[in-house]
Amino acid sequence: NAGVTQTPKFQVLKTGQSMTLQCAQDMNHEYMSWYRQDPGMGLRLIHYSVGAGITDQGEVPNGYNVSRSTTEDFPLRLLSAAPSQTSVYFCASSSYMAGSSYNEQFFGPGTRLTVL
Amino acid sequence: AQKVTQAQTEISVVEKEDVTLDCVYETRDTTYYLFWYKQPPSGELVFLIRRNSFDEQNEISGRYSWNFQKSTSSFNFTITASQVVDSAVYFCALINYGNDMRFGAGTRLTVKP
Repeated sequence: NAGVTQTPKFQVLKTGQSMTLQCAQDMNHEYMSWYRQDPGMGLRLIHYSVGAGITDQGEVPNGYNVSRSTTEDFPLRLLSAAPSQTSVYFCASSSYMAGSSYNEQFFGPGTRLTVL
Repeated sequence: AQKVTQAQTEISVVEKEDVTLDCVYETRDTTYYLFWYKQPPSGELVFLIRRNSFDEQNEISGRYSWNFQKSTSSFNFTITASQVVDSAVYFCALINYGNDMRFGAGTRLTVKP
């Protein structure tokens, strides 16, 4: 098993450019999520999904879009990059039973994004 | 909204000392899950423990132990006989059935030889 994979590992964008951060998992997990990590602020939830076709906003969703067309993939789109989106982005997945339990999240290696 | 507070930004200890990392949380839900994750200098996030709100048993795993007290909304983490390899940033996190996952700001632990 590859676990959770993210591409690219590093990316530099100019203000206003768009891009998609890719995330894939091979563990058949229902729950997938995107976080951003900024110094001194821990990880903050951007968007999450509890299954294919179902997405919802987290704590800091503005400026980001997601979709979940398959169980395996959960891409994060930046429509018009801004310097405030400079951060490290982590994708995570976990098995999930609605209204029952949350298990540990498995994290990808992260994408370091710089917006100039 | 839920909140997780890790008041200790940085802790520095000498090898073999015991160290406790504090975690205090706020939630209006009666059902929730608490987690601890470790982020070593290499940057990956490593799961350490999960605890649900109905299980207040303390847990010990080798040199690691966790103390969960609902009365004080705390879920503290103790490392006994710390080692240099324990140097990392440690995060406490909480999730409820609304899927609202919140992390604390993290505590950077440095263990000196």
